[in-house]
Amino acid sequence: GDSVTQTEGLVTLTEGLPVMLNCTYQSTYSPFLFWYVQHLNEAPKLLLKSFTDNKRPEHQGFHATLHKSSSSFHLQKSSAQLSDSALYYCASNTNKVVFGTGTRLQVLP
Amino acid sequence: GGIITQTPKFLIGQEGQKLTLKCQQNFNHDTMYWYRQDSGKGLRLIYYSITENDLQKGDLSEGYDASREKKSSFSLTVTSAQKNEMAVFLCASSSRQDNNQAPLFGEGTRLSVL
Repeated sequence: GDSVTQTEGLVTLTEGLPVMLNCTYQSTYSPFLFWYVQHLNEAPKLLLKSFTDNKRPEHQGFHATLHKSSSSFHLQKSSAQLSDSALYYCASNTNKVVFGTGTRLQVLP
Repeated sequence: GGIITQTPKFLIGQEGQKLTLKCQQNFNHDTMYWYRQDSGKGLRLIYYSITENDLQKGDLSEGYDASREKKSSFSLTVTSAQKNEMAVFLCASSSRQDNNQAPLFGEGTRLSVL
């Protein structure tokens, strides 16, 4: 079946440094990919999703590029902010949504 | 706009008790999901349903029952609450026809078992 892999459980970095959270997927078909962000005591919210026409989605300074050749959809931001500290999930959708295990991003002053 | 409503928001139960959580959505979505989230941990799929009266087990279905009585609602039952159990149960829904629509989440039900 389909799967999504997020290799990092915790990423800790200093404010102002670049962020990259890894996401790879396995699917028989070409799925749509999503990134969600979950702040403490809140529900997961959609951060961005892949496009079919190779455009790079961006939101709140975050962007992700779908690379079908490497089955990846890594999340990036050029400069981390303290408010980016949260749990981030990568997810894929063909006929059923599959979530990765999540990566906790901790941004320190 | 649409909304996913989970009731109750907080649920306190006794060990061994049967507890039911409810989820309603007005997006007319086909697929609905129940996830469990333990403190600081990721989402674990309990059950999902692709249409009315359909049920599919997730990785964590043991100890739970689910019911999709109609398209807009999806219930989850904890068959026997475990002592000191604490978790958040999240309901989500998505369109089956349109895979580029992201699943949307309710605000969750927080369970504590005494």
